[in-house]
Amino acid sequence: EAGVTQFPSHSVIEKGQTVTLRCDPISGHDNLYWYRRVMGKEIKFLLHFVKESKQDESGMPNNRFLAERTGGTYSTLKVQPAELEDSGVYFCASSPGRFIYGYTFGSGTRLTVV
Amino acid sequence: GQQVMQIPQYQHVQEGEDFTTYCNSSTTLSNIQWYKQRPGGHPVFLIQLVKSGEVKKQKRLTFQFGEAKKNSSLHITATQTTDVGTYFCAGTLVNDYKLSFGAGTTVTVRA
Repeated sequence: EAGVTQFPSHSVIEKGQTVTLRCDPISGHDNLYWYRRVMGKEIKFLLHFVKESKQDESGMPNNRFLAERTGGTYSTLKVQPAELEDSGVYFCASSPGRFIYGYTFGSGTRLTVV
Repeated sequence: GQQVMQIPQYQHVQEGEDFTTYCNSSTTLSNIQWYKQRPGGHPVFLIQLVKSGEVKKQKRLTFQFGEAKKNSSLHITATQTTDVGTYFCAGTLVNDYKLSFGAGTTVTVRA
């Protein structure tokens, strides 16, 4: 089966610009997660979708970040306007159920804001 | 909020030697998972532990979940160059679903 796909793999943008990241989870996985890793620190939770609904967005840094999952398939994460501290690797992960399944991660999008 | 701490942050190992990385949570966990991220790659799920005191083995890797379900360890025997990467532990609270990751242990191997 196809894995979790993310694109772009890299993005370099200027401060103040907008960037949209996309994640295509494994087909049939209702749960989709966004995480971010900044400069060798822990992988931090951003938000969780169950199908098209936001189950938990407690990890979203501020209102410059907007995530959507229309139709419960792929998801987008938009950063507008981007700030320097938004730089990092954004990972998407999906799983078929809650609690007891390991996540399948995508390859990540490395975002650099200059 | 919940914190998952991992030590050491870096582990430099002579090929053939053993090492252990440790994971500690400030609160009781429902389960704990371990992931491995190769340089330039993404986290790949290794294993999940659910029961208190559980021990699981994958070839040269031994994973353990503490009796109080607040800590875990990963022990690798006879380290090989293929073991290079960052090992993350990640736990979920009881009745929660999202994973909280530790900062990872980055392993390098001297041939």
